[in-house]
Amino acid sequence: TAGITQAPTSQILAAGRSMTLRCTQDMRHNAMYWYRQDLGLGLRLIHYSNTAGTTGKGEVPDGYSVSRANTDDFPLTLASAVPSQTSVYFCASSAGAGNEQFFGPGTRLTVL
Amino acid sequence: GENVEQHPSTLSVQEGDSAVIKCTYSDSASNYFPWYKQELGKRPQLIIDIRSNVGEKKDQRIAVTLNKTAKHFSLHITETQPEDSAVYFCAATSLGGYQKVTFGIGTKLQVIP
Repeated sequence: TAGITQAPTSQILAAGRSMTLRCTQDMRHNAMYWYRQDLGLGLRLIHYSNTAGTTGKGEVPDGYSVSRANTDDFPLTLASAVPSQTSVYFCASSAGAGNEQFFGPGTRLTVL
Repeated sequence: GENVEQHPSTLSVQEGDSAVIKCTYSDSASNYFPWYKQELGKRPQLIIDIRSNVGEKKDQRIAVTLNKTAKHFSLHITETQPEDSAVYFCAATSLGGYQKVTFGIGTKLQVIP
């Protein structure tokens, strides 16, 4: 079982360019999340989705957008990347409130 | 919104000693408190969690305690081993509506052989 996967593993991106980080889970979890992890700041929620067709803003949503067309996929898009978006991005999923979150392997993004 | 404070940020212990990591939260509506372990270069993984209707939970060498009145919870690792070396994150979650999880900034634990 793949669990939850992310692509790409890493990426170097020029400032101003757009990019979509992909996340797919095969556990049929309703809830999915995107976090960024920065040294000294822990994991900060960017966007979340309770179920297919719905999304919501987390703690640091500016500059990012998401969609949830189906249960399995939850892509994160940077419309016009800036250097401050250099980070490690983790996607996660869970069966719902009060359940374990399963994290993907992460995407290391560098914006120059 | 919820605010989770975690300390210490770094912790070094001798192998075999105990380690304690403490977290406080601000939102009295939070009622689910997971702990995640992240090894270097790896993804966070759940190691133990506790709900607000219990005060303590144990799983082998790991235990978590919760004081709802004081709004703090702690992770206790006994008989530490080198493989316990990692970054540990506490989190607080409200079970109402969506699962909004707020993480602490993490504690880097180093177990010295």
